[in-house]
Amino acid sequence: GENVEQHPSTLSVQEGDSAVIKCTYSDSASNYFPWYKQELGKRPQLIIDIRSNVGEKKDQRIAVTLNKTAKHFSLHITETQPEDSAVYFCAASKNPSGTYKYIFGTGTRLKVLA
Amino acid sequence: EADIYQTPRYLVIGTGKKITLECSQTMGHDKMYWYQQDPGMELHLIHYSYGVNSTEKGDLSSESTVSRIRTEHFPLTLESARPSHTSQYLCASNGQVSYNEQFFGPGTRLTVL
Repeated sequence: GENVEQHPSTLSVQEGDSAVIKCTYSDSASNYFPWYKQELGKRPQLIIDIRSNVGEKKDQRIAVTLNKTAKHFSLHITETQPEDSAVYFCAASKNPSGTYKYIFGTGTRLKVLA
Repeated sequence: EADIYQTPRYLVIGTGKKITLECSQTMGHDKMYWYQQDPGMELHLIHYSYGVNSTEKGDLSSESTVSRIRTEHFPLTLESARPSHTSQYLCASNGQVSYNEQFFGPGTRLTVL
């Protein structure tokens, strides 16, 4: 069935360093890839997304890259800060003509050490 | 304010009780979802709906049921709660306007004794 693998499951970085989280999806028809951040005790919130017609998207300190051939996409956080500490989820879906549900990755717990 | 609401936020009940978790959104979204999540762990899709009178089971087997009689309302019911149902339940919705972004509610933390 459809599947999204996410690595690593935990990641610790020093404040100011970069963090990279990687996801691989199985359904080649997937065309929308969001990233969610979930802080402790809070709801998941979208931080950045990318569509299959784009290879890279950047928003301040975060960026996402997509390699459709390899069915692989990654989240990059530069100049990490303690407030970046959270669980990050990647997801894949098919939109608009396919199913709208997300296939989520298993999550990455990022800890930024001050 | 356009948002997605869940009640109750916390619920502690005894085994065998029937419960309904409420979810309402004021964003005019046609698609709604229920996820089960242990704190900080994977998000498991248990039910979803693409419109009124349309419901589907998700990827995780669940003993719960849902209904979608009104666009804005998507309640989840457990007929007989068990300790294995202890978890957090997150409701989400999306529509056509923002491509496909799903907006999540604040969640209901359920404990079954």
